[in-house]
Amino acid sequence: ILNVEQSPQSLHVQEGDSTNFTCSFPSSNFYALHWYRWETAKSPEALFVMTLNGDEKKKGRISATLNTKEGYSYLYIKGSQPEDSATYLCAHRNNAGNMLTFGGGTRLMVKP
Amino acid sequence: KAGVTQTPRYLIKTRGQQVTLSCSPISGHRSVSWYQQTPGQGLQFLFEYFSETQRNKGNFPGRFSGRQFSNSRSEMNVSTLELGDSALYLCASSMVPGNTEAFFGQGTRLTVV
Repeated sequence: ILNVEQSPQSLHVQEGDSTNFTCSFPSSNFYALHWYRWETAKSPEALFVMTLNGDEKKKGRISATLNTKEGYSYLYIKGSQPEDSATYLCAHRNNAGNMLTFGGGTRLMVKP
Repeated sequence: KAGVTQTPRYLIKTRGQQVTLSCSPISGHRSVSWYQQTPGQGLQFLFEYFSETQRNKGNFPGRFSGRQFSNSRSEMNVSTLELGDSALYLCASSMVPGNTEAFFGQGTRLTVV
């Protein structure tokens, strides 16, 4: 995988549903994987920075896992709420250029 | 603690003009990165500055340039504007480059007519 890819592109769920989405990234020269939450008209908000294979991070109802060997990360939201509606971005940093490469994002819409 | 501040928030320019955007990082942060987002595209990396030095540059033409001052504030400049430069320009600051969290400003929405 040459680019950072996120799936699905968009997702509609009902309030209370749990959901997850995927970020795929190049597995070679891995340095760090970032997750951001971006609400309309606001700044992207940092959720997690993950660096080690097998890392699991949790913040409230949101958690993330990392597999650097196969090049993917999952973001999970338990019991989605309307305020979780946002675009979720992942970004990969390699140990060569050290710059962040973003995926296209997953747009989550939670219906009350 | 003040967040990342970008000015101006909105800007309309005509083709051929040049524009300068400003980013003030969080106090104590020395690394500033710039990104462009156009409709249908993800965030595209422009450049990264640390301690007044450009550390990385994305795949953008030479019309896009930047600099960082001794107080870590950064500016980016786009010369000879084209319609395709219409985008949201975001900057992010972090303490140092690397695996630390990057905090984003609200962006400057540039429209080229």
